[in-house]
Amino acid sequence: NAGVTQTPKFQVLKTGQSMTLQCAQDMNHNSMYWYRQDPGMGLRLIYYSASEGTTDKGEVPNGYNVSRLNKREFSLRLESAAPSQTSVYFCASSEAGGVGEAFFGQGTRLTVV
Amino acid sequence: RKEVEQDPGPFNVPEGATVAFNCTYSNSASQSFFWYRQDCRKEPKLLMSVYSSGNEDGRFTAQLNRASQYISLLIRDSKLSDSATYLCVVTSGGSYIPTFGRGTSLIVHP
Repeated sequence: NAGVTQTPKFQVLKTGQSMTLQCAQDMNHNSMYWYRQDPGMGLRLIYYSASEGTTDKGEVPNGYNVSRLNKREFSLRLESAAPSQTSVYFCASSEAGGVGEAFFGQGTRLTVV
Repeated sequence: RKEVEQDPGPFNVPEGATVAFNCTYSNSASQSFFWYRQDCRKEPKLLMSVYSSGNEDGRFTAQLNRASQYISLLIRDSKLSDSATYLCVVTSGGSYIPTFGRGTSLIVHP
């Protein structure tokens, strides 16, 4: 049982380049999330998807777009990367209702130069 | 004001010590509460859920005070392997979104 799988694990982009971070879960969870983690800031929610076909903005959505491709997959796209988007990105999933734990992928370490 | 507040520490304690972390949350309608552990350069993982009646798992005890809107984590007989960042997590809103505190760093030394 793989849980939550994120790709890539590391990425270096030049300012202005675009990329998509992929996330897939095999736990049949309804809810999926994208967070970014910066030193001293904790995990901040970028976007979430409460169920297949729905997405909503979180605390820091500017500069990002998401797609809930199906129940398993939730991707995060940076259309024009900026140095301020240098961060560690985590995808997570949980049962609907939030009473259970959130499971995280291993993270993507992104550097924008 | 951040929705979930934690003292960032670091808490630097000797092996065998007892250490306590507190966390406060601002949304009185919050529904679920958790403590997560995050090791350096790793993903967060659930340590324990926090229930109104309090709960204990070995050396770890978590308590919730809804009236004062705070959550606590007590670690007894600290081990070197307990060194990590401890994240307080609260879910709220119609979609039960997990909101994280900034984390409290614990360093256990010999």
